[in-house]
Amino acid sequence: DGGITQSPKYLFRKEGQNVTLSCEQNLNHDAMYWYRQDPGQGLRLIYYSQIVNDFQKGDIAEGYSVSREKKESFPLTVTSAQKNPTAFYLCASIPHGRDYGYTFGSGTRLTVV
Amino acid sequence: GNSVTQMEGPVTLSEEAFLTINCTYTATGYPSLFWYVQYPGEGLQLLLKATKADDKGSNKGFEATYRKETTSFHLEKGSVQVSDSAVYFCALSNAGNMLTFGGGTRLMVKP
Repeated sequence: DGGITQSPKYLFRKEGQNVTLSCEQNLNHDAMYWYRQDPGQGLRLIYYSQIVNDFQKGDIAEGYSVSREKKESFPLTVTSAQKNPTAFYLCASIPHGRDYGYTFGSGTRLTVV
Repeated sequence: GNSVTQMEGPVTLSEEAFLTINCTYTATGYPSLFWYVQYPGEGLQLLLKATKADDKGSNKGFEATYRKETTSFHLEKGSVQVSDSAVYFCALSNAGNMLTFGGGTRLMVKP
């Protein structure tokens, strides 16, 4: 079955460490997105990519980086510059066109220890 | 720009009660409208959608009607179950792919 796979489900980061969250989709979707969700809060857009080798900053891009070398993959790196990275991270994708809505992955919960 | 406003939660109901979660939007043109559901510790799942005015989206007993005259897309269910306890997000999609989300409404259903 097609879908989006996020890994790992749980991730622990030490202070000053960079960590990379994986997002892979086999839906042949063009656009991919990363969102951050804090407890009891809504979704905030970190980065998005409409096409391979191109991506744009969202509302809270500082302290994060991404790449889009393949259509299927959109990894997110949480750098040491992100001072408060503990959150739930969601990846989503969508085919071209506005009527479909996103397909979401199951999320990665990142905790700083 | 686009925006989505949802009623703040939590909404607490007894099992078999009637549910309404209000959602209003601001957008130019004719957006598509969506409801997503998020169960604890999981990603968001598409619950239903409507792509033009007066369309009714429905799924799993939930319904929402695209009302352009009131710019609303309220979610309703006639008889909620404990298993419906989750966070519900209203969203819209306008020109381009990107969705604009509301802040989410937590529903708690008690037996």
